Amino acid sequence: KQEVTQIPAALSVPEGENLVLNCSFTDSAIYNLQWFRQDPGKGLTSLLLIQSSQREQTSGRLNASLDKSSGRSTLYIAASQPGDSATYLCAVLKTSYDKVIFGPGTSLSVIP
Amino acid sequence: DGGITQSPKYLFRKEGQNVTLSCEQNLNHDAMYWYRQDPGQGLRLIYYSQIVNDFQKGDIAEGYSVSREKKESFPLTVTSAQKNPTAFYLCASKEGGTTEAFFGQGTRLTVV
Repeated sequence: KQEVTQIPAALSVPEGENLVLNCSFTDSAIYNLQWFRQDPGKGLTSLLLIQSSQREQTSGRLNASLDKSSGRSTLYIAASQPGDSATYLCAVLKTSYDKVIFGPGTSLSVIP
Repeated sequence: DGGITQSPKYLFRKEGQNVTLSCEQNLNHDAMYWYRQDPGQGLRLIYYSQIVNDFQKGDIAEGYSVSREKKESFPLTVTSAQKNPTAFYLCASKEGGTTEAFFGQGTRLTVV
């Protein structure tokens, strides 16, 4: 059974710092991995999608990497801003029509 | 605009009642999903549907029921058999293949 974990559970950093969020999964046979952002009381917003054949994806100040063999993904946020404060979740998909399995999330707080 | 619409945003249920949460998408996606989120926890899969007139149980299907009579609609009924229904419910959809999942804005259900 696929299990997804995220470390740390919570993170508080001063504005301007670069930071790394970690995601681990137990079954390396994944189809893709997706990072989401969730603001309090809201739905999920997709940030980055990495296919199983890819090593990384970039969007603005965000960079996500994927190492399937070790079952790990990292989300790198450069020059953090207070507006980045949210919960970040990673999710894996085993096959193209399979269920999407989520990690518990990392709650990020960027202090002005 | 294309997207996923969940309604209502807030829902109150008396004990012993069944309630139905609506999820509609105009993205022409084949797959649709229902998740439950409890405070401080990740998303847990309730039901998912890969195609019209077909659906599968997720990890916590007991006390819930779904239907998929139309491609664009995937309503979730929370029955009186669900002993602890107070939670935030999220609906998602995706195409098959290497595409990302998209989420609605959620419905917060409270038992009164």
